[in-house]
Amino acid sequence: QKEVEQDPGPLSVPEGAIVSLNCTYSNSAFQYFMWYRQYSRKGPELLMYTYSSGNKEDGRFTAQVDKSSKYISLFIRDSQPSDSATYLCAMSARQAGTALIFGKGTTLSVSS
Amino acid sequence: DADVTQTPRNRITKTGKRIMLECSQTKGHDRMYWYRQDPGLGLRLIYYSFDVKDINKGEISDGYSVSRQAQAKFSLSLESAIPNQTALYFCATSDSPGAGGIQETQYFGPGTRLLVL
Repeated sequence: QKEVEQDPGPLSVPEGAIVSLNCTYSNSAFQYFMWYRQYSRKGPELLMYTYSSGNKEDGRFTAQVDKSSKYISLFIRDSQPSDSATYLCAMSARQAGTALIFGKGTTLSVSS
Repeated sequence: DADVTQTPRNRITKTGKRIMLECSQTKGHDRMYWYRQDPGLGLRLIYYSFDVKDINKGEISDGYSVSRQAQAKFSLSLESAIPNQTALYFCATSDSPGAGGIQETQYFGPGTRLLVL
């Protein structure tokens, strides 16, 4: 079993839809959770960062972490064509010197 | 100017050739990473360095070597390139965890697209 599982999609939605992207993980030591957005032919860029369990909201984006279920989510409200990209979850444990573990990424397409 | 730069941005080479990919950063971060990205496989860590004197193997280091020439520079070499090393290569940087143990986040360069014929 991979440490981080993420459905690669592709996921296609109409403009204005609510999008839900998810990752599951197996390592209970993970405490730091991130979502990266990667546009075609670009490097990943940090979108959301969450420590431990709970929700974090930033504009149209909400990140949720459920450590009891080892499950994280990214919600996009009022999706726009500019949200079309690949979204990668990433996570790490608390210990210093631990590198990030990435999911494979979900490709999202928002049509106008 | 971009905080993390990679050169070259595109490279075509032949099997058996030695090539070097370079990464420079102006973020002042101690930690630097090399990843490769393949369709369906996601980002996989090749090597990482937490300071100039520290080099660590990642998930897929075979066939690769690295050099940390300075805090701001981290190079990836393919000693004898083979076709299955065709991929998109990313350099990333991060700061060290703070005194409170807050985990760093990583900042990526624009990538180098490598094709090995």
